[in-house]
Amino acid sequence: GQQLNQSPQSMFIQEGEDVSMNCTSSSIFNTWLWYKQDPGEGPVLLIALYKAGELTSNGRLTAQFGITRKDSFLNISASIPSDVGIYFCAGHAGGTSYGKLTFGQGTILTVHP
Amino acid sequence: NAGVTQTPKFQVLKTGQSMTLQCAQDMNHNSMYWYRQDPGMGLRLIYYSASEGTTDKGEVPNGYNVSRLNKREFSLRLESAAPSQTSVYFCASGTAALTQHFGDGTRLSIL
Repeated sequence: GQQLNQSPQSMFIQEGEDVSMNCTSSSIFNTWLWYKQDPGEGPVLLIALYKAGELTSNGRLTAQFGITRKDSFLNISASIPSDVGIYFCAGHAGGTSYGKLTFGQGTILTVHP
Repeated sequence: NAGVTQTPKFQVLKTGQSMTLQCAQDMNHNSMYWYRQDPGMGLRLIYYSASEGTTDKGEVPNGYNVSRLNKREFSLRLESAAPSQTSVYFCASGTAALTQHFGDGTRLSIL
C-alpha cells in the first residue's frame, strides 16, 4: 500500500526558532493535508493543499505541495510553547479513493521556553 | 458545534470481551472513518463508509466490524477483544474538499 515517510520523527527546539518538517512518498498524491494533534485530543486540520507547487499560509505556518506531487513541506516560524504537539502529514491519492487519506508517522515537536 | 463525538472516552476490557465504540457527527458529511493510533505508527485506517449504507475495509480491518447506522452514526465493534487491540481509536467524518474532522478519541486497554 501507499506509505508516507515523515521526517524528522522528533524535534527539540528553543522558543523563537523556526521549524521545518517534510513528508515524502513513492507515489503521487493529488491532495496534501497537514494536521496537528495536542495531547489527549484528535488531530486538527492546519493546512490543505490541492495543486502541485501551491504554497499556503495559516498564521505562522506555511506549507507547500511539492512539484513532483510526491512530497510536501511544513514550516513554522518563530515557534512558541503552544506549538508543542504531533504534526501529521496526510495525502489523498485521488480517483476512487473515497476520501481515504494516508497518514505519515508524525513529527513530535517539543518547544523549550 | 459538537462536530464529531466519540463515546466512551476510556475503556478497559478483558481479553475476549466485546464492545462497541460509538461515533456521531453533526456536520452532514457523507463519509466517515475509523482509525487506530499506536505509538510511532501514525493513524491507520480500520474501516470507512463512503456514504450511508456502505462500508469497506481499510488497512487494518481484522478483528473489527462496523455499522453505518444512519448518516450521522458510524460504530466500531470488537467482537472478541485481544491485547493487540489496545490503542487509541479515532473516528472522523470527511468533507467534499477531502479534509477530515476528528473526534477526541477512545482510549482502549485490553488486559
